[in-house]
Amino acid sequence: DVVLTQTPSILSATIGQSVSISCRSSQSLLDSDGNTYLYWFLQRPGQSPQRLIYLVSNLGSGVPNRFSGSGSGTDFTLKISGVEAEDLGVYYCMQATHAPNTFGAGTKLELK
Amino acid sequence: EVQLVESGGGLVQPGASLKLSCVASGFTFSDYWMSWVRQTPGKTMEWIGDIKYDGSYTNYAPSLKNRFTISRDNAKSTLYLQMSNVRSEDTATYYCTSFYHRDYWGQGVMVTVSS
Repeated sequence: DVVLTQTPSILSATIGQSVSISCRSSQSLLDSDGNTYLYWFLQRPGQSPQRLIYLVSNLGSGVPNRFSGSGSGTDFTLKISGVEAEDLGVYYCMQATHAPNTFGAGTKLELK
Repeated sequence: EVQLVESGGGLVQPGASLKLSCVASGFTFSDYWMSWVRQTPGKTMEWIGDIKYDGSYTNYAPSLKNRFTISRDNAKSTLYLQMSNVRSEDTATYYCTSFYHRDYWGQGVMVTVSS
């Protein structure tokens, strides 16, 4: 199975600070169809996960544009440009290029 | 308003079977691939499997394929997860979701496997 390594595991930030989360894959996530099936999710405390980013860099519907995704191959990044209080929670990356789909272990974003 | 409402969870003994349901509303259920994802008490996320929009194809995590079965009834806008021979490590919150093309999630249903 593809292993996704997220760093850091805990991220402390102040409101307004810009932060980044890394997701590194044990294999290239570039599919033979040319797509890279890398997703980012946020799970706020007590809530179901929410998809933020699909196909590396596409913003989900209704997701604020302070979120952005980038990367290619095995190295991916989620950036939040100006953390807001509602952004606190656990962020997960997930790949769907190689069966079975796998998730990273998560990055907890907390207030400093 | 889009809703996915899971049911069927609870406390179950090791070795038993359990069937989870997920009723969809607010969108055309039969247009979408659907998935089951679970989250352990330690917050680890695990993909269980998918089912194609017409039910003709399913995909599973290899570690669960022999015990879990995903099905759907598009006439009832309902997704199912049949779990058999459950183990303590199946204790988790189970979510039904469609996240490939949209972002739809249920509220989750807890399954606790314990004697």
